[in-house]
Amino acid sequence: SFVLTQPPSVSLAPGETATISCGGNDLKNMFVHWYQQRPGQAPVLLISSDIDRPSGIPERFSGSKSDDAATLTISRVEAGDEADYYCQVWATTSGHGVFGGGTKLTVL
Amino acid sequence: VQLMESGGGVVQPGRFMRLSCAASGFSFSGSAMHWVRQVPGKGLEWMAFILHDGETRYYAESVKGRFAISRDNSRNTLYLQMSSLRTEDTALYYCAKDRGGGSLDFWGQGTLVTVSS
Repeated sequence: SFVLTQPPSVSLAPGETATISCGGNDLKNMFVHWYQQRPGQAPVLLISSDIDRPSGIPERFSGSKSDDAATLTISRVEAGDEADYYCQVWATTSGHGVFGGGTKLTVL
Repeated sequence: VQLMESGGGVVQPGRFMRLSCAASGFSFSGSAMHWVRQVPGKGLEWMAFILHDGETRYYAESVKGRFAISRDNSRNTLYLQMSSLRTEDTALYYCAKDRGGGSLDFWGQGTLVTVSS
């Protein structure tokens, strides 16, 4: 089965730039989406189709992809960015959604 | 946009349960929909997908043959029929709207299903 690999945790100080990676076989041929989930809340779509930021999402959040690795970048990290972040793809050939294991972002 | 799940609760192993998701604020009949679950303290797990007209449905391997996704576009409601429930099906179940390209742009707050004897 298809697997998306994320680092379990990332820690950094306010104002720094966070990068969260997401790797998977043949990711270059799929759209990668990113979600933020704050404690006790439902997930929120941050980035769609590798780089597209939905309306209302701050410009500090950006997505990129190179070959089979996607990256979520959060510039000027704030305390309010503490959350779990998930990457996700839709595997068209099998008709399955797949989430990465999630990355817990801690702002020191 | 609002999505509101209901129908969760405590159920014994082997029994069935039906979850509902009431949608409003967007063209439900024109939108594909998903169910996603999350064991408390764990990650997100995609469960099922249904196309806007109900003609195409996909399931995660872990629930294929036990769970059934359906929709009633006249009632703006999405369903998840769960049968032969197992303790490992205990989770918070979310319904979510498909934005296109397989991304989920709006989510409900979830309904908790606890499978326990």
